[in-house]
Amino acid sequence: DADVTQTPRNRITKTGKRIMLECSQTKGHDRMYWYRQDPGLGLRLIYYSFDVKDINKGEISDGYSVSRQAQAKFSLSLESAIPNQTALYFCATSDGTPAANEKLFFGSGTQLSVL
Amino acid sequence: ELKVEQNPLFLSMQEGKNYTIYCNYSTTSDRLYWYRQDPGKSLESLFVLLSNGAVKQEGRLMASLDTKARLSTLHITAAVHDLSATYFCAVDYAGNNRKLIWGLGTSLAVNP
Repeated sequence: DADVTQTPRNRITKTGKRIMLECSQTKGHDRMYWYRQDPGLGLRLIYYSFDVKDINKGEISDGYSVSRQAQAKFSLSLESAIPNQTALYFCATSDGTPAANEKLFFGSGTQLSVL
Repeated sequence: ELKVEQNPLFLSMQEGKNYTIYCNYSTTSDRLYWYRQDPGKSLESLFVLLSNGAVKQEGRLMASLDTKARLSTLHITAAVHDLSATYFCAVDYAGNNRKLIWGLGTSLAVNP
């Protein structure tokens, strides 16, 4: 079983619809992140959470919201999807201990298309 | 402005050859990562480089960091087809991945 699981793997939706992308992890990590990947732009951080009560905006949080329901679950919502939110979305986790050096463990990604 | 520039962005090489991918960054940082992404797959961590002069090796890949030059290199030795993937460097400017700036990636194709 994957350590970081994202659902759905693919989603096609229409402009204006509300969408939720879900992420769950079995790694026991406190830290979770949402990234989007766009061709020619690389990966960009949307939101991150260092524990259940800690939620922080990343560099491109506008149009997105998140919920950290439990240590293992971190969901990303698009309140009213727009076409330029079409992208590949990744959830990631990291272990906050110094020995782990903060390397990220990624889920398989969700390809979202907004028509 | 915080920037991370990789070059080349595309690389086609023959099996058995050596090559180097470069990652330049704009502002002082103490932590640099290399990740690999196979087509249609997720990213996986290759190396974490924490200090000036750091060198890490795994199989045919070797990464190094020169913080004074703000440069990291990923050297490929005697390439094999299995190394075909996209390689990303990422620089942590604020610690704890809070401001992790990614390069655009180097798409590597190793041909027989």
